[in-house]
Amino acid sequence: DADVTQTPRNRITKTGKRIMLECSQTKGHDRMYWYRQDPGLGLRLIYYSFDVKDINKGEISDGYSVSRQAQAKFSLSLESAIPNQTALYFCATSDLGRGYTDTQYFGPGTRLTVL
Amino acid sequence: QKEVEQNSGPLSVPEGAIASLNCTYSDRGSQSFFWYRQYSGKSPELIMFIYSNGDKEDGRFTAQLNKASQYVSLLIRDSQPSDSATYLCATYRDDKIIFGKGTRLHILP
Repeated sequence: DADVTQTPRNRITKTGKRIMLECSQTKGHDRMYWYRQDPGLGLRLIYYSFDVKDINKGEISDGYSVSRQAQAKFSLSLESAIPNQTALYFCATSDLGRGYTDTQYFGPGTRLTVL
Repeated sequence: QKEVEQNSGPLSVPEGAIASLNCTYSDRGSQSFFWYRQYSGKSPELIMFIYSNGDKEDGRFTAQLNKASQYVSLLIRDSQPSDSATYLCATYRDDKIIFGKGTRLHILP
């Protein structure tokens, strides 16, 4: 089984709809992240969490919210989806103890299309 | 100036040759540097990281770091068609990883 899973893998929704993307991990890592990837813009950090009680905004948090339900689960919500949120979304984890050698382990991604 | 800059490519290299991928960074506080490989439609995966000046070798891959010039590179020896992918350079600073936009590498059979 994959260490980092994301659901759904693909989603098409309409403008104004609320949508939740879910991430689960079995790696036992404390740190979890949400990124979006757009052609030509690379990976951009949306939110990150170092433990269940620690949530931090990333580079592009506007229009998004997150919930860290447990060490293993980190969800990303779009309260009112808009077309420019169409992108590939990745969840990632890393091991708190590794510091500056902090390898990111990515999930398979969720392709979101907002019409 | 972007924090991590890479040439977007595509960089075309003949099979068996050395592919050289380059990255510059703006923040001297960056502590360590990573190279990730991403195949089309797939998630990024770590190739290697480096945090000391000089070279670090792992199989066909060599990472080079020059902190004075704020420059990091990845060399791929004996390039194979399976090396065709986008390579993402990233830096670690303030508990976050900052990614460049990536360089597309195409290995010509």
